[in-house]
Amino acid sequence: EVQVVESGGGLVKPGGSLRLSCAASGFTFSYAWMSWVRQAPGKGPEWVGRIKSKGDGGTADYAAPVKDRFTISRDDSKNTLYLQMNSLKTEDTAVYYCTTYRSGWYWGQGTLVTVSS
Amino acid sequence: EIVLTQSPGTLSLSPGEGATLSCRASQSVSSSYLAWYQQKPGQAPRLLIYDASSRATGIPDRFSGSGSGTDFNLSISRLEPEDFAVYYCQQYGSSPYTFGQGTRLEIK
Repeated sequence: EVQVVESGGGLVKPGGSLRLSCAASGFTFSYAWMSWVRQAPGKGPEWVGRIKSKGDGGTADYAAPVKDRFTISRDDSKNTLYLQMNSLKTEDTAVYYCTTYRSGWYWGQGTLVTVSS
Repeated sequence: EIVLTQSPGTLSLSPGEGATLSCRASQSVSSSYLAWYQQKPGQAPRLLIYDASSRATGIPDRFSGSGSGTDFNLSISRLEPEDFAVYYCQQYGSSPYTFGQGTRLEIK
């Protein structure tokens, strides 16, 4: 069974940093393209970015609002995806989801990030 | 970037009726890589349809997806009380993947 479980959310001050993790199981992680999606309170989902498998180049793409502040990485030996978030702004407050496509999209339960002074 | 526009913004219907939700893309969605989600308050989005017309595991057959290119629809036949929620479309044919702004399906 495909499972992804996010962790690492919390309260951080504007300008601060936070790293989210996503532990994956039930599929061959090293072959998978992985994505992060977020949802701010009362808003619709917003795609954050994705990372390709190393076999497909291992590169990452980002949405414009987070480009140059967020970095997606992966550790295939640990079946874990990361989202490093720097220079956080209040508008980055959201539930962050780890997602992957395996003949359909699988999402985790999400982890809440609150950016507030 | 592909912009997805969902219509209507709100749809008011009664249980037992049928519903058709629309998702229009600003440019063609590659390989019909389009998904539909249902979301209820306090819950994560739930995948209903992927690849434009494939039902996700456990989704009742009263939900169906259709379309290609720039025009996609989600149809729900015989609305049940639990179907009243917000629905989003998402394209994943080209980066950045994008979501529509949502259609709220409410009880009339």
